[in-house]
Amino acid sequence: ETGVTQSPTHLIKTRGQQVTLRCSSQSGHNTVSWYQQALGQGPQFIFQYYREEENGRGNFPPRFSGLQFPNYSSELNVNALELDDSALYLCASTPGGQETQYFGPGTRLLVL
Amino acid sequence: SQQGEEDPQALSIQEGENATMNCSYKTSINNLQWYRQNSGRGLVHLILIRSNEREKHSGRLRVTLDTSKKSSSLLITASRAADTASYFCATDSKGSGNTGKLIFGQGTTLQVKP
Repeated sequence: ETGVTQSPTHLIKTRGQQVTLRCSSQSGHNTVSWYQQALGQGPQFIFQYYREEENGRGNFPPRFSGLQFPNYSSELNVNALELDDSALYLCASTPGGQETQYFGPGTRLLVL
Repeated sequence: SQQGEEDPQALSIQEGENATMNCSYKTSINNLQWYRQNSGRGLVHLILIRSNEREKHSGRLRVTLDTSKKSSSLLITASRAADTASYFCATDSKGSGNTGKLIFGQGTTLQVKP
């Protein structure tokens, strides 16, 4: 049990819609990272937030955006959904001063 | 882009046997981490090895790191059916702004038959 929760667990959207995924981590985990995992692939880094500011971004377009809140929760927003956005979205939090990332169970997004 | 390549892609063994998975990567790293994933769920952290370490143990797990060859291996001894899962290596690369950005391989799917 990592103490990282994500909601919802599953979601179905249609192409062109917008989606917000949520993540909640433990107190003191001031870094949160988001990953996209397509079926049969390893996770790919989307971006990272540290103390509510973006702290690094992977090769994802601007329609992928995020927020981190003071209560150790965060959001991943995706606009103008495309079919290829169908994937498992994982958030991971890191306690201050540590290197290990603790992953949530993920949100499985299907775009039709 | 994927940093690591894992070998084999799939592995099937009998309970009690040892399982070895290999990972290669491309850039200099701060550390390398191994994760387990059951049935497309969240990843469970197994072990972290830093670039200045060569070997690390945790229970039935043994990880080695060879930075000259840019490779790592994960050995699971005395495997159990519950070890059936996908295993991923992930690297935290050196360089400003890279710390904490994990780059994953494509994983090894391990099946342990009872």
